[in-house]
Amino acid sequence: DAGITQSPRHKVTETGTPVTLRCHQTENHRYMYWYRQDPGHGLRLIHYSYGVKDTDKGEVSDGYSVSRSKTEDFLLTLESATSSQTSVYFCAISEGRKGTSGGKTYEQYFGPGTRLTVT
Amino acid sequence: QKEVEQNSGPLSVPEGAIASLNCTYSDQGSQSFFWYRQYSGKSPELIMFIYSNGDKEDGRFTAQLNKASQYVSLLIRDSQPSDSATYLCAALLRGGSYIPTFGRGTSLIVHP
Repeated sequence: DAGITQSPRHKVTETGTPVTLRCHQTENHRYMYWYRQDPGHGLRLIHYSYGVKDTDKGEVSDGYSVSRSKTEDFLLTLESATSSQTSVYFCAISEGRKGTSGGKTYEQYFGPGTRLTVT
Repeated sequence: QKEVEQNSGPLSVPEGAIASLNCTYSDQGSQSFFWYRQYSGKSPELIMFIYSNGDKEDGRFTAQLNKASQYVSLLIRDSQPSDSATYLCAALLRGGSYIPTFGRGTSLIVHP
């Protein structure tokens, strides 16, 4: 397994409370991502990072913020958790490698996930 | 809208048979394609990637890419009950994109 850990692995919290999920990697990969996965929706990108302090929004970023102060850590914060944010959250990492036609390609490796329940 | 489409299944095959999983994509600029296996309650695991037209084999797995028809498939030979999982297809645009587009996955059930 790629060296990716997520903490906590399970969390139950109440509506309106702040929650921070942590992703830690030991692969020194440049790119990091946060996804949520819900039945019927597949994987949806929340935020991603292309370097230290460089982040951008994905398709479902409302209600979430991120920070990356070190290469190895990518934090996802729910400022005020809502029941609609009950989900399984996956962190992923990637690094450019040479693909065809001289270009680069990026294979993603996923962490073990965090199951978050907002009551 | 870039899309990757997969039949949600479930695809049910007997043990020892060939399982064929298919994926189509809408963006002709897609360059790289990935297959992930996800067991229930676990995270996606990369099992195959393919960049060039044709077949790529790795053990019991074969990935097939046809860029003209915009489809990629995964064949699993000698299917085992342990292959029962959801298989996710992902596509990556050429030009340095590092954000893949995922399909919603196909559930595979291999019955003894």
